[in-house]
Amino acid sequence: AQTVTQSQPEMSVQEAETVTLSCTYDTSESDYYLFWYKQPPSRQMILVIRQEAYKQQNATENRFSVNFQKAAKSFSLKISDSQLGDAAMYFCAYRGFENNDMRFGAGTRLTVKP
Amino acid sequence: DTAVSQTPKYLVTQMGNDKSIKCEQNLGHDTMYWYKQDSKKFLKIMFSYNNKELIINETVPNRFSPKSPDKAHLNLHINSLELGDSAVYFCASKRTPYNEQFFGPGTRLTVL
Repeated sequence: AQTVTQSQPEMSVQEAETVTLSCTYDTSESDYYLFWYKQPPSRQMILVIRQEAYKQQNATENRFSVNFQKAAKSFSLKISDSQLGDAAMYFCAYRGFENNDMRFGAGTRLTVKP
Repeated sequence: DTAVSQTPKYLVTQMGNDKSIKCEQNLGHDTMYWYKQDSKKFLKIMFSYNNKELIINETVPNRFSPKSPDKAHLNLHINSLELGDSAVYFCASKRTPYNEQFFGPGTRLTVL
């Protein structure tokens, strides 16, 4: 079974600064997808960014970017120019290439200080 | 124009009762899911429905039963509720062959 580990239960960042959230996973598959989801206090899960394992280029979405290290099975999320609205729970998720099952990490609570 | 909706948003009930949580998506997706988020914020998949057929059934108690009257709906029925069932339950949907799942707002279930 695939497992997803987020080793940082809580992180904080100063507004306008940069923060990196860690995620590692365990899998025997060669093709898969990785995601970062944001869960603000309203509890609505929002897709932040995704990465296909076969792509070497790191995905980027505006202020959000990932550092995907396939050999190390690491998938960290970098948030640049942090904003107050970025405060939320962030979940790393894994999905196999042919499997509909989505495995989530335990989440990291991000606090943004003004 | 909510994409994935769940009702109710909050549900407080006594042990032993039977309750249902409804989920509807208006995205035309063909796969729907139920997840349980426990007190430690860990999300675990419970069920997945594709074109009205159950394709994933995690090791959840048979007190939980998903029911899909059509592609747009996946309801979760829970019989004989237990204290440990207290959690937030999320519904999600996706369209094959895409990977992104769209989540509902969640239902906070509290069993007293």
